[in-house]
Amino acid sequence: DVKVTQSSRYLVKRTGEKVFLECVQDMDHENMFWYRQDPGLGLRLIYFSYDVKMKEKGDIPEGYSVSREKKERFSLILESASTNQTSMYLCATIVGLAGRFRETQYFGPGTRLLVL
Amino acid sequence: ELKVEQNPLFLSMQEGKNYTIYCNYSTTSDRLYWYRQDPGKSLESLFVLLSNGAVKQEGRLMASLDTKARLSTLHITAAVHDLSATYFCAVSNFGNEKLTFGTGTRLTIIP
Repeated sequence: DVKVTQSSRYLVKRTGEKVFLECVQDMDHENMFWYRQDPGLGLRLIYFSYDVKMKEKGDIPEGYSVSREKKERFSLILESASTNQTSMYLCATIVGLAGRFRETQYFGPGTRLLVL
Repeated sequence: ELKVEQNPLFLSMQEGKNYTIYCNYSTTSDRLYWYRQDPGKSLESLFVLLSNGAVKQEGRLMASLDTKARLSTLHITAAVHDLSATYFCAVSNFGNEKLTFGTGTRLTIIP
């Protein structure tokens, strides 16, 4: 079974703090994604990565950055947390090109972040 | 820009009844996904639909895809309480792994 873990289930931070959310997968998947989920808006893609040290902006990258130094680990960084970044953050992973048409994205358990 | 619309947003139905959730998308795509999310939990994959006319079934859920109409449906047959959840459809962008999600349908099955 694919396992995607996230560093925290719940997190409370103050405005202006730098926040790190970590995601680790154990399936040697090339592609990793960060989404945020807000009521009425579904999931929105923040950033994704096709490979180590590669990153691409998603639909809402402002206020976020990412790091992928190792294949299994994809970190989301909130450079200076703001209250409008209070949300549920979900990490996902999928196999690379060879298996893509038979595969789905596998999601981690999520981190619920509250910025005060 | 790819847009995905789901309806209804909320659905309350009695056990034993049938209903359909609709997912419309705005541009050509090569894959469509259905996910389920229970309250406070992450997303669980239900179906991946790859081609026009594709139909997949798992238990009381059946998903279909009409690429010409840019429409997918998730049909629930003889609903039972444990199908209560939020259901999302998601559509891939051609040539990459980006997914665009619908806003979700919160389904509540009433005994």
